[in-house]
Amino acid sequence: AQKITQTQPGMFVQEKEAVTLDCTYDTSDQSYGLFWYKQPSSGEMIFLIYQGSYDEQNATEGRYSLNFQKARKSANLVISASQLGDSAMYFCAMRAYYGQNFVFGPGTRLSVLP
Amino acid sequence: EAQVTQNPRYLITVTGKKLTVTCSQNMNHEYMSWYRQDPGLGLRQIYYSMNVEVTDKGDVPEGYKVSRKEKRNFPLILESPSPNQTSLYFCASSWGDLSNSPLHFGNGTRLTVT
Repeated sequence: AQKITQTQPGMFVQEKEAVTLDCTYDTSDQSYGLFWYKQPSSGEMIFLIYQGSYDEQNATEGRYSLNFQKARKSANLVISASQLGDSAMYFCAMRAYYGQNFVFGPGTRLSVLP
Repeated sequence: EAQVTQNPRYLITVTGKKLTVTCSQNMNHEYMSWYRQDPGLGLRQIYYSMNVEVTDKGDVPEGYKVSRKEKRNFPLILESPSPNQTSLYFCASSWGDLSNSPLHFGNGTRLTVT
């Protein structure tokens, strides 16, 4: 069975600083995908970034990057130059190769301080 | 605009009164699924569908039904709602079930059962 752990229920960061949100996962699959989603206070789920288990380079999307350490089974999200609009809930998720199920972590609530 | 549309956004009902939450996607996606989100638990899968007339249980299917008569629609049915089904519900779709296929979410339905 797959499992996602996010050990930081809440995080604070100063505006314009970088922040790392932790995610560790457990799976016996060799091929899988890792995803991060953002959920602002309005409630919608926004896809941020994807990392494949066989990708050799860490994924980047604008100010978002994924620090993927396969041996440690971690997929931390790094947000550079935080903005007030980054205040939201962030979910780490994974999907197996034939992924009938997306497994989500419990989330980390990020608050960006002015 | 490519989107997943679910209705209603808010729903308050009483125990035992059957209800349906509709979900429609215009991206010709094969895969659709329903999730419920509860504080501290992240998102948990209720049901999923790999294609028309193909549905299967997720992690928390008790008390729910789904159908997939058309590719674009995937309604969630609560035949006899109970207070423990009070939650935030999301419909989501993806082009396939492989691990590199992100989920696209609807805006959510906040259900309260009294």
